[in-house]
Amino acid sequence: DAGVIQSPRHEVTEMGQEVTLRCKPISGHNSLFWYRQTMMRGLELLIYFNNNVPIDDSGMPEDRFSAKMPNASFSTLKIQPSEPRDSAVYFCASSLAAGGPLADTQYFGPGTRLTVL
Amino acid sequence: AQSVTQPDIHITVSEGASLELRCNYSYGATPYLFWYVQSPGQGLQLLLKYFSGDTLVQGIKGFEAEFKRSQSSFNLRKPSVHWSDAAEYFCAVVDSGNTPLVFGKGTRLSVIA
Repeated sequence: DAGVIQSPRHEVTEMGQEVTLRCKPISGHNSLFWYRQTMMRGLELLIYFNNNVPIDDSGMPEDRFSAKMPNASFSTLKIQPSEPRDSAVYFCASSLAAGGPLADTQYFGPGTRLTVL
Repeated sequence: AQSVTQPDIHITVSEGASLELRCNYSYGATPYLFWYVQSPGQGLQLLLKYFSGDTLVQGIKGFEAEFKRSQSSFNLRKPSVHWSDAAEYFCAVVDSGNTPLVFGKGTRLSVIA
């Protein structure tokens, strides 16, 4: 099992540029989560999908952020335009189910460290 | 909505000493509870989880946690800490509805010789 795969591992970009982060969940998992982690705010849930459908995007900080899951094996998180305050580590996680009686372990990817200059 | 409180931001222990990390949750019914560990530069890894049954749960790396309903707590323990245990530890909760994990702010553990 390859685990959750994220790319790139590190991204350095300039303010105003578009940034796309990629995630491949574990095969067979039905739920996918995007998190952001900073020293100041800790671990924040941005958005999650069930069966490729976005369920709750209330954690997305503003319209500059968007996420898609075109199929069960791929998701993207896009920031356009990027700003220095977007600098953080972005994690993708997947699980068999999001919550409730089928709640299961979330498996995290290694993260993408984003630096916006 | 459920919430999780980890009252200790940072804890330092000596190698070989015992460890207890505190976690309190706020939820009316019996929640599902988790402890995750994040080593520097890594993603989060599950240590253990509690869904029902025995209130003392064993996890990986010699960790255990005890669910105490009367105290709304799910504290993580280890009898003898190793230097490799230095990491950030997150408690998380999910309720019986279809909502995802809610994470605490984390406790950073430092281990000294």
